[in-house]
Amino acid sequence: NAGVTQTPKFQVLKTGQSMTLQCAQDMNHNSMYWYRQDPGMGLRLIYYSASEGTTDKGEVPNGYNVSRLNKREFSLRLESAAPSQTSVYFCASSGIGRGQPQHFGDGTRLSIL
Amino acid sequence: TQLLEQSPQFLSIQEGENLTVYCNSSSVFSSLQWYRQEPGEGPVLLVTVVTGGEVKKLKRLTFQFGDARKDSSLHITAAQPGDTGLYLCAGGSIETSGSRLTFGEGTQLTVNP
Repeated sequence: NAGVTQTPKFQVLKTGQSMTLQCAQDMNHNSMYWYRQDPGMGLRLIYYSASEGTTDKGEVPNGYNVSRLNKREFSLRLESAAPSQTSVYFCASSGIGRGQPQHFGDGTRLSIL
Repeated sequence: TQLLEQSPQFLSIQEGENLTVYCNSSSVFSSLQWYRQEPGEGPVLLVTVVTGGEVKKLKRLTFQFGDARKDSSLHITAAQPGDTGLYLCAGGSIETSGSRLTFGEGTQLTVNP
């Protein structure tokens, strides 16, 4: 009954370092999403993948890249981390269509020094 | 860009009181979802409303979707300490068949015993 699994849960990076956040879902969902959450700003969409093989930019894509590895996995990469990317990152998945709920992982807490 | 404004941002009340949280936009949404998030976890869906004017009840929580599908409200009757958490509204995009969501900034609710 895992749902959406994110790794790692915590990470501290130095400015300029790179890293990849991993996300996997076991609900056979077509769509997957990456969000960042900052105090007082709700959830902002970074990138999403409506279906396997497609990815699209969200509201705040600069500084990030994504890969939809297969139907289960959707990774987020920071090529050169900046302090402004310090945030909590959430991965989510959903079925396709109006009103489909999004299922979230527990987040990755990322600090960039 | 579709925006959702949520109010109030913070709410601290005593057990037994009633409260209403509002979610407003100038854009039309295909659906409106409400999520609740607890510290260290991802958001969890409470309800989805898809029809203008629709009202849904979940125990002491009442959700309403505006007639024009631009706004929504969450009313809690006789709040309890277990209702404490971050409440997020999210609107489904009409352009992307409703799967992509725009989130409000959230309402941090604290119910004191």
